[in-house]
Amino acid sequence: DAGVTQSPTHLIKTRGQQVTLRCSPKSGHDTVSWYQQALGQGPQFIFQYYEEEERQRGNFPDRFSGHQFPNYSSELNVNALLLGDSALYLCASSLSGGGAYEQYFGPGTRLTVT
Amino acid sequence: GENVEQHPSTLSVQEGDSAVIKCTYSDSASNYFPWYKQELGKRPQLIIDIRSNVGEKKDQRIAVTLNKTAKHFSLHITETQPEDSAVYFCAAKKNFGNEKLTFGTGTRLTIIP
Repeated sequence: DAGVTQSPTHLIKTRGQQVTLRCSPKSGHDTVSWYQQALGQGPQFIFQYYEEEERQRGNFPDRFSGHQFPNYSSELNVNALLLGDSALYLCASSLSGGGAYEQYFGPGTRLTVT
Repeated sequence: GENVEQHPSTLSVQEGDSAVIKCTYSDSASNYFPWYKQELGKRPQLIIDIRSNVGEKKDQRIAVTLNKTAKHFSLHITETQPEDSAVYFCAAKKNFGNEKLTFGTGTRLTIIP
């Protein structure tokens, strides 16, 4: 039973560029949430996808967008990168409904913007 | 929105002693409180969680207590070992349509051999 996977593990981009990060949820999970973790801080919620739609969104600008595919995998896109976007990007998968509460995290993608 | 505060930010304890990390939350509708352990360069790993219908939960050396009236919850680690050294995050969420997790700022726990 595969856990949550993310790709790539590391990425270096230049200011102004665009980046796409990918996440495959844990087997049986249908909901993917994305978090940004700056160095020395707790993860901050970006948005959540369920049934291929954005269901919730945190306090992040429109430069951050996402997508969920029919197989429940998800992408996070960030346009016009800023130095402040440098962080660990985590995706977490969960099962919607049925009293399930737990969110399981992937290993993250370390994004460095220069 | 929800706000979670976590204390202390750093904690050093002698191996074998106990460690306690405390969190408070602001939204009385929150009903699920997980704790995550994050080692350097690794993913946050769920180590224990508690739901609002219980006041305490224990799993071997780890326990979590919840006081819904005061809106605070705590992580207790007994008989600490060097491998317990990590950053610990508390979080809170409601469970209406799979709500987001709101995290505390983290506690760096160091176990002194």
